[in-house]
Amino acid sequence: NAGVTQTPKFRILKIGQSMTLQCTQDMNHNYMYWYRQDPGMGLKLIYYSVGAGITDKGEVPNGYNVSRSTTEDFPLRLELAAPSQTSVYFCASSYGDPSGNTIYFGEGSWLTVV
Amino acid sequence: GENVGLHLPTLSVQEGDNSIINCAYSNSASDYFIWYKQESGKGPQFIIDIRSNMDKRQGQRVTVLLNKTVKHLSLQIAATQPGDSAVYFCAENIKGYSTLTFGKGTMLLVSP
Repeated sequence: NAGVTQTPKFRILKIGQSMTLQCTQDMNHNYMYWYRQDPGMGLKLIYYSVGAGITDKGEVPNGYNVSRSTTEDFPLRLELAAPSQTSVYFCASSYGDPSGNTIYFGEGSWLTVV
Repeated sequence: GENVGLHLPTLSVQEGDNSIINCAYSNSASDYFIWYKQESGKGPQFIIDIRSNMDKRQGQRVTVLLNKTVKHLSLQIAATQPGDSAVYFCAENIKGYSTLTFGKGTMLLVSP
């Protein structure tokens, strides 16, 4: 069972570069999320989606964009990378809303902006 | 804004001891709480959850206690094992909301 798959696992970006973190899930989940986790901190929500074609901002959306053209995929786009975006990024998914539906996380993508 | 926080950033215990990890929340509208375990280099993993209409819920070697009066949540791990070493996060959800709010996490270190 693949679950939630994120790529790449590690990436180093230069300031001003752009990149896309890929996320796909094979559980037919409606809800998908992107979180970032800074060292020694909890997870902060960047964007989320409750279904294909629907996206919403989370707590820290600035500098990021998402799209949800299919149920399976939820890519996160970084435009004009900044050192403040150095973090570990987690994609997650759930069948429905969190109150009663387990959220499954990917393994994480480590991003360094230099 | 209101958030979920943790009292102890690091907890060191001996193998076989019982561990207690605490979490304070400030949003009285939160009605669903979850504990996650995050091992080094991996994503968070669901451990146990509890709804606000309960005070206690037990799983395998884990128990979650909820005290709504003081807005406090705890995770008890019985007979802690080295494999329990990880960072533990509490998270909260308000019914009808599509997202979770996570606390900062507590690192549990288990010595053999």
